[in-house]
Amino acid sequence: EPEVTQTPSHQVTQMGQEVILRCVPISNHLYFYWYRQILGQKVEFLVSFYNNEISEKSEIFDDQFSVERPDGSNFTLKIRSTKLEDSAMYFCASRAGLSNYGYTFGSGTRLTVV
Amino acid sequence: GENVEQHPSTLSVQEGDSAVIKCTYSDSASNYFPWYKQELGKGPQLIIDIRSNVGEKKDQRIAVTLNKTAKHFSLHITETQPEDSAVYFCAASRVLDKLIFGTGTRLQVFP
Repeated sequence: EPEVTQTPSHQVTQMGQEVILRCVPISNHLYFYWYRQILGQKVEFLVSFYNNEISEKSEIFDDQFSVERPDGSNFTLKIRSTKLEDSAMYFCASRAGLSNYGYTFGSGTRLTVV
Repeated sequence: GENVEQHPSTLSVQEGDSAVIKCTYSDSASNYFPWYKQELGKGPQLIIDIRSNVGEKKDQRIAVTLNKTAKHFSLHITETQPEDSAVYFCAASRVLDKLIFGTGTRLQVFP
């Protein structure tokens, strides 16, 4: 079964440093997402991406965050200057398109900011 | 804003019993309602979903019911097994839109 692949599985970074979280969505999918889950809390929407541009972003997704699909296969989330409160699991998800509502989530990257 | 409430937050059942988790949503334009199972250290895995044009859907031991008028939907797991133990999330969305997740239910099935 096709998978969404995320790397790394765990990243530890110092406050103020930049991090890039990487995702390889399912190859024929058109819609891409990043979600975040702070430990013990619900999964929260960050950003959606379609046709090489952001289609929607949440209040969490401020100027410190950016997304990119640099080469047609990878989908990255960059946090420019990490804060302690950015510590969370970050999930990438993709969806095929109009005829398929179902999302496929990756297994996540645990980001720890120290 | 859009919101999804989920109850209960924890649920303990004996193996073989049924488990029911309930969600209510606020956005009346929502028309897609998936349920996800999340095991420790893993991403959410879709277990069943329902669209607003049907009231009930069943897949083996799992069923979902939807009441659009009341804006609530429920997950029913029958004949529970220890491997059903996990955190379950409901979600709601409009077509092609982001998922709004519920707060999660930790289900424990005791042998």
